[in-house]
Amino acid sequence: GNSVTQMEGPVTLSEEAFLTINCTYTATGYPSLFWYVQYPGEGLQLLLKATKADDKGSNKGFEATYRKETTSFHLEKGSVQVSDSAVYFCALSDQSSASKIIFGSGTRLSIRP
Amino acid sequence: KAGVTQTPRYLIKTRGQQVTLSCSPISGHRSVSWYQQTPGQGLQFLFEYFSETQRNKGNFPGRFSGRQFSNSRSEMNVSTLELGDSALYLCASSLSLGSTEAFFGQGTRLTVV
Repeated sequence: GNSVTQMEGPVTLSEEAFLTINCTYTATGYPSLFWYVQYPGEGLQLLLKATKADDKGSNKGFEATYRKETTSFHLEKGSVQVSDSAVYFCALSDQSSASKIIFGSGTRLSIRP
Repeated sequence: KAGVTQTPRYLIKTRGQQVTLSCSPISGHRSVSWYQQTPGQGLQFLFEYFSETQRNKGNFPGRFSGRQFSNSRSEMNVSTLELGDSALYLCASSLSLGSTEAFFGQGTRLTVV
């Protein structure tokens, strides 16, 4: 079945450091790929998405490219801020049921001032 | 535009009781999905409703049920509560079946004692 594997956390970085959170997926067909972010005590917010191979999703300085050849969707940001501290979830939605989202286990990111 | 509203935000119930959680989707959205988030199992899909009909179901026991009303509002019910049902229950709203984007509410945190 479809699944998402993402980098184990927690990840701790200093402010202005470069961020990469790895994500790989297993899926049949052509799923849409997402990164969601969850701040403490909150629900999930969609950070970015990509719906086909080679698409690049971007938002708030974060980027991820849909790589079908490596089945990956790694999240990157050039210079992180303290306010980026949160839990990040990589996810995919099945072609047959786009509202049924399969999530990775989440990566907790902490940014030191 | 108001976001997804879930009520109540917090709930404490006793083992064996039942509970009903409510979700009001974004105005104009007709698809509602429910997810359970626990530290051990992560985010898991419960079910999806569209046009008052359950369209997809995750791998949960029959104690978990839901419904959707004609105004797209949805409720989920858990009967005969177990300690393991303690979790954050998240509702997601989408424009329609097959939408590639879902918007999440802040969740209802259920504690079973």
